[in-house]
Amino acid sequence: SAVISQKPSRDICQRGTSLTIQCQVDSQVTMMFWYRQQPGQSLTLIATANQGSEATYESGFVIDKFPISRPNLTFSTLTVSNMSPEDSSIYLCSAGVSSGGYTFGSGTRLTVV
Amino acid sequence: AQSVTQLGSHVSVSEGALVLLRCNYSSSVPPYLFWYVQYPNQGLQLLLKYTSAATLVKGINGFEAEFKKSETSFHLTKPSAHMSDAAEYFCAVSVGGGKLIFGQGTELSVKP
Repeated sequence: SAVISQKPSRDICQRGTSLTIQCQVDSQVTMMFWYRQQPGQSLTLIATANQGSEATYESGFVIDKFPISRPNLTFSTLTVSNMSPEDSSIYLCSAGVSSGGYTFGSGTRLTVV
Repeated sequence: AQSVTQLGSHVSVSEGALVLLRCNYSSSVPPYLFWYVQYPNQGLQLLLKYTSAATLVKGINGFEAEFKKSETSFHLTKPSAHMSDAAEYFCAVSVGGGKLIFGQGTELSVKP
């Protein structure tokens, strides 16, 4: 299985600012994903990061708020823009294939004050 | 549409007792199913996966799960709980395009 390094592991940010989260995979993968886990909740898919094209966003998530980059097959970033306290969550990236299972990064714990 | 339901948001067992975490799924196609564990302040770790091979799947840390198509279930079990098993457990179904839909999670507590 792929190994994913995600950073930062945690951050405290001021409202109105932006934070970029990085996700590095130790091997080339076709599929990369970004999830959000709100406090005490399950995981919700934000978007699929596509290499060479725009990300595919799930209902309720928009590119202006969560711009995503995928410059190559091993790296992706998620930016949380114009943050408000409601954005305080754990953000996780994931990669892999259905048959092999999906690996997750260790998550970024974001607190917006 | 695919969905996952985990019965019981909190399960408490005594150390050495059987662990049973319930998961039911809804899928219009043969599903890929997963169990993940999340320890406090950590990411998700894959426990086991069902990908249409054997219906009884063995995973890490002594956990196993049985795929029952007739019951649309994929319950997670462990014969003897250990204190280190205390964590949040998530059942998930792959819905195509690599996306996962997660259940709401079950917090497992293990009493000494």
